Amino acid sequence: GQQVMQIPQYQHVQEGEDFTTYCNSSTTLSNIQWYKQRPGGHPVFLIQLVKSGEVKKQKRLTFQFGEAKKNSSLHITATQTTDVGTYFCCEGGKLIFGQGTELSVKP
Amino acid sequence: DAGITQSPRYKITETGRQVTLMCHQTWSHSYMFWYRQDLGHGLRLIYYSAAADITDKGEVPDGYVVSRSKTENFPLTLESATRSQTSVYFCATRLKAGANVLTFGAGSRLTVL
Repeated sequence: GQQVMQIPQYQHVQEGEDFTTYCNSSTTLSNIQWYKQRPGGHPVFLIQLVKSGEVKKQKRLTFQFGEAKKNSSLHITATQTTDVGTYFCCEGGKLIFGQGTELSVKP
Repeated sequence: DAGITQSPRYKITETGRQVTLMCHQTWSHSYMFWYRQDLGHGLRLIYYSAAADITDKGEVPDGYVVSRSKTENFPLTLESATRSQTSVYFCATRLKAGANVLTFGAGSRLTVL
């Protein structure tokens, strides 16, 4: 079945450093969603990308959808301690999630 | 989110026992889902339902049973719990098919001894 591979599994950064997580699929994605899960919490929707090559920004977060619609990335500029959590990509058609990237930020 | 209630939030049971995790939504969303979350595996879809009396298997359905007699409720039953079913279970809803977002409940942490 369709799989969405997400890397890295863990990322530890110093506050102020940038962070990127990547999702890749062997098949074309209808759309891709990103979710954030704070420690001890539940996943919360961040954004959805639908169009090939789409780029969306939310303050320090930049989301990209690949031209072939087989990959996506989330980039956080100048991380803050409030960014701590696990970030998941999700194929929005079949609702298959990537394994998630756990971000820890050292003050 | 206040619109999705999962119960119990924490449950400890023994191998072989039956366990039912409840999920209730107040929005009348058509679609409901059950995911399990385990370290290294992310969120894996167990079962989903497109409407009352319509359910379908996800990625990891073995050992689980679901029903949906009413739109607002989507219980997940482990008929004979095993240690490998120790996990955090999340219920989620989506308004309709297509590019709609998932809204998750707070989760139910299940430990099978």
